[in-house]
Amino acid sequence: DSGVTQTPKHLITATGQRVTLRCSPRSGDLSVYWYQQSLDQGLQFLIQYYNGEERAKGNILERFSAQQFPDLHSELNLSSLELGDSALYFCASSVLSWGANTGELFFGEGSRLTVL
Amino acid sequence: KNQVEQSPQSLIILEGKNCTLQCNYTVSPFSNLRWYKQDTGRGPVSLTIMTFSENTKSNGRYTATLDADTKQSSLHITASQLSDSASYICVVSLLGGQGNLIFGKGTKLSVKP
Repeated sequence: DSGVTQTPKHLITATGQRVTLRCSPRSGDLSVYWYQQSLDQGLQFLIQYYNGEERAKGNILERFSAQQFPDLHSELNLSSLELGDSALYFCASSVLSWGANTGELFFGEGSRLTVL
Repeated sequence: KNQVEQSPQSLIILEGKNCTLQCNYTVSPFSNLRWYKQDTGRGPVSLTIMTFSENTKSNGRYTATLDADTKQSSLHITASQLSDSASYICVVSLLGGQGNLIFGKGTKLSVKP
């Protein structure tokens, strides 16, 4: 158990809909990262937050947004869903900001999104 | 372009045998290289992190090597077990914290009895 909690574990929805994925980082970790993993693909970095502020942005679509709340949990919002958005979405946390990038990343178990 | 290439894409070995997975990268500037194990449908779990100055690092039956000159790394698994069946992902971190880790697509290892 990494200590990172993601909900829901599975989600099935229709095209055009909007969903919210939730992540609670390990106790004491200030950084939260979101990754997308499509079938048989590598993990793609979406976005990072550190202590409530956006720190880095990767290949995140404009239809997607995220935020980190004062209690450090984070939410990833996916809107106007398309079939191609079906994937595993992972959250990871670390105690360090990205500037000190030797920090260990701890991944949650992922949220599997299926868009029909 | 920053890239991490892993080989082979998939591998099947018999329980008890050794195997070596390869990782080549063209990431610059380089900070560190990580190997993760990802069980099917689960989150990746870190095996090793190596910085520029480290050539070898072990974690139980897993030994990672790094040649920063040739930009190559390998992960050697000794005396494989059925529980080693997973995807093994090579990840290279950029120096200076540009906010990204570069992930390889992984090698899918199947250990058969």
